[in-house]
Amino acid sequence: SQTIHQWPATLVQPVGSPLSLECTVEGTSNPNLYWYRQAAGRGLQLLFYSVGIGQISSEVPQNLSASRPQDRQFILSSKKLLLSDSGFYLCATNRGGPYEQYFGPGTRLTVT
Amino acid sequence: DQQVKQNSPSLSVQEGRISILNCDYTNSMFDYFLWYKKYPAEGPTFLISISSIKDKNEDGRFTVFLNKSAKHLSLHIVPSQPGDSAVYFCAARGSGTYKYIFGTGTRLKVLA
Repeated sequence: SQTIHQWPATLVQPVGSPLSLECTVEGTSNPNLYWYRQAAGRGLQLLFYSVGIGQISSEVPQNLSASRPQDRQFILSSKKLLLSDSGFYLCATNRGGPYEQYFGPGTRLTVT
Repeated sequence: DQQVKQNSPSLSVQEGRISILNCDYTNSMFDYFLWYKKYPAEGPTFLISISSIKDKNEDGRFTVFLNKSAKHLSLHIVPSQPGDSAVYFCAARGSGTYKYIFGTGTRLKVLA
């Protein structure tokens, strides 16, 4: 069965600092990978998705970027954080065929 | 432009009664719909899904109904239990894509 790891679990960063969030997947190969953000009182916003190594599709123009250096590794980055980047970041993959998405435990990011 | 909408931010139901959560969408090209349950500080967990070629799918206490002409789907939980208290998200997948669009969520509270 698939397992998604995300770290760190929580993070407090000052405005203007860099960011790196990591997601790794076990138990599958060549998964589709996704980054979502849930801001306070908001729904789940799709940020990036990837269907293979080096293939990244961006859904929202912003100061975040994503990379997929390995098949089962997905990284979310920023060079300079904004207050509006605060939120709950979720990594997801497909499970049970191409339809059902399976989410990791999430990273709570607070930008101060 | 919110393509998937959950117009009720919250819902309270007595234990044992039916909970009905609603979701509306605007894109007729969505071909697959999913419901997720989310507890605070955790990733969403998959509940139930329905293909656009069906109008009903049932799994235990959970039933999803799809009305394509109205671009509306609903999740019925019968009987509701206190452990069902959570935020529920509906999501839709664009036909032939890997993208999932989520609604803003409905917070369900089941009262004992």
